[in-house]
Amino acid sequence: AQSVTQLDSQVPVFEEAPVELRCNYSSSVSVYLFWYVQYPNQGLQLLLKYLSGSTLVESINGFEAEFNKSQTSFHLRKPSVHISDTAEYFCAVSEKSSGDKLTFGTGTRLAVRP
Amino acid sequence: SAVISQKPSRDICQRGTSLTIQCQVDSQVTMMFWYRQQPGQSLTLIATANQGSEATYESGFVIDKFPISRPNLTFSTLTVSNMSPEDSSIYLCIVSGRQETGELFFGEGSRLTVL
Repeated sequence: AQSVTQLDSQVPVFEEAPVELRCNYSSSVSVYLFWYVQYPNQGLQLLLKYLSGSTLVESINGFEAEFNKSQTSFHLRKPSVHISDTAEYFCAVSEKSSGDKLTFGTGTRLAVRP
Repeated sequence: SAVISQKPSRDICQRGTSLTIQCQVDSQVTMMFWYRQQPGQSLTLIATANQGSEATYESGFVIDKFPISRPNLTFSTLTVSNMSPEDSSIYLCIVSGRQETGELFFGEGSRLTVL
């Protein structure tokens, strides 16, 4: 069965600084990987996903994540964060053999300070 | 893509009552899942709704507490039975497309508060 580990429950960072949110997964088969963002009092929104092909995926608002199979990681990065990036970020994995069943990490709270 | 309508969007319920949440998709989908997000926590899979047969429940969730129906490929219901304040959560319907491609679509969630 798959599992997801987000080691950092909170990441404080100053505005315009770079940030990395870590995500590691455990699975014995091929996987799809996702990052979701949840702004205060809102539902989850898909930020980016890796399904196949290029291991580096990007979102429209400057985030990127790289699938590293050997390290079983899918860390999320942004070179310069904004106050508006303050949110909860969830990493998720689904095994290609499990019928798209998603397993979520425990989430990382990104707090951007001015 | 798939558009999901989830009802109710929110409700306040009394202890001991039951509430049924509906998930309607605008196209036929293969997989439908029900998740729960308790306050300040991540999403936890309750069960996979199977069309025409009993749902597949995850560890810690049972049919008596969370009965699920899926009469066809576009509709499912989740009932939260005999509610207690610990059931206060957002309940979320997530579906995948006709083929298992990793493309997933989210309902807007049902926020339940149990008094």
